[in-house]
Formats: sequence, C-alpha cells, structure tokens
Amino acid sequence: QVQLQESGPRLVKPSQTLSLTCSVSGGSISSGGSYWSWIRQPAGKGLEWIGRVYTSGSTNYNPSLKSRVTISVDTSKNQFSLRLNSVTAADTAVYYCARAGRGFDYWGQGTLVTVSS
Amino acid sequence: QSALTQPASVSGSPGQSITISCTGTSSDVGGYYLVSWYQKHPGKAPKLIIYEDYKRPSGVSNRFSGSKSGNTASLTISGLQAEDEADYYCCSYAGSTTWVFGGGTKLTVL
Repeated sequence: QVQLQESGPRLVKPSQTLSLTCSVSGGSISSGGSYWSWIRQPAGKGLEWIGRVYTSGSTNYNPSLKSRVTISVDTSKNQFSLRLNSVTAADTAVYYCARAGRGFDYWGQGTLVTVSS
Repeated sequence: QSALTQPASVSGSPGQSITISCTGTSSDVGGYYLVSWYQKHPGKAPKLIIYEDYKRPSGVSNRFSGSKSGNTASLTISGLQAEDEADYYCCSYAGSTTWVFGGGTKLTVL
C-alpha cells in the first residue's frame, strides 16, 4: 500500500519561499510510470492542482502558478518536493501531495501552511 | 483555465439517490475521458471514488456511479447513507498536461 507524507515549515513569511517535501513509502517512486502531484486547498475553498513531476524529472504546472512553482523529484530518497516563490497570504492553504495514476489515487494527509509575518 | 462548475450544495434523505453535476467545456470535461470524482470528509485527505468518467477503484461502493453527457459530468450516489455526508469534487484533464478541479459540492444527508 503506497503511503505519502508531507513535511516542511508550517509558517512562511510573505515574499519568501514555501518548501515542502513528500515522502513516499510502500513502493518505489520510480515504479509504475506514475506522475506525482501537488494539490492545495485554501480554507473554505476548493481544491487547486499545482503541478506534477514524472520520475524522469519532467514537470507540468498550473498556468496560474507556473511563474512561481518548481516541483522536483529525488528518486534516491523516494521523495518529491514543491517550492513556491514570492508567497502571499493567498497561498495559505492545506497542501497535499498525491500520486496521479488513474485519477489521483493516493494522497498524503495534508499539511497546513500559513503565510504570515 | 477556469474551475469546473459544481452546485454548492445538495441534500437527500437516507436511502434516496442524489446527483451532483460538474460542468466544464469541450476543452476539459467534454474533450477527454478523464473526469474523476473525490469524496472529502473534514480534516481528511480526498478519496478517489470515480476515475476515467465512470470507473470505480477497487473497494469503492457500487452505490457511487459516474456518467457524462457533453461538457457535463455527473456523480450519482444511490441508497444514501449518513457516512456519505461529505464534500465532493470533480476533476478533469484540461489539455496541455494540466488538470482542473470543480469548486466542490457539500452533500448533506438529512
């Protein structure tokens, strides 16, 4: 059973960079031809797809966030990561990592990241 | 890329059936067989309940079914149970290797 777990700072100052890591267990991040995604949910709002990375390192991003987002993968650590630059209060949200197989079939529990000074 | 349109809320009594719609465009919902649906309870991670328009993952109750007509996808839950009370989100491939979610629908079991 694949399991995902987000980790990283829960509080980020405005204009700084939000960094999160997703650790994958129960299987190799390189197996199965899966894509690995980041998705977020601001309080009281819907889900927003941020982007995804393939195990080769190729990436795709939400056009609305593309200028500020970098997603990378470290297959040796069975992890993938999110960096979001120049954050504002609007980036405060629960951030989820997920596997994109046939739909987003495995999810982390989510981590609340607050942008505040 | 705009969010897919879902009703803000639906409700039904135990045992009844409800349907949640998800309206997009020919560039997303109507253009691919790649709509998925997620059930989300408060404080929990979303759970995949339908993928590729109508397919159910192993272990998901057959009370959940998906369909699509044109640019509108639908999720039907039959035999409503109290545990079905949750938020439901649709998601579609939107071309150019991007994905878009709906705004979510709150299901209340009366």
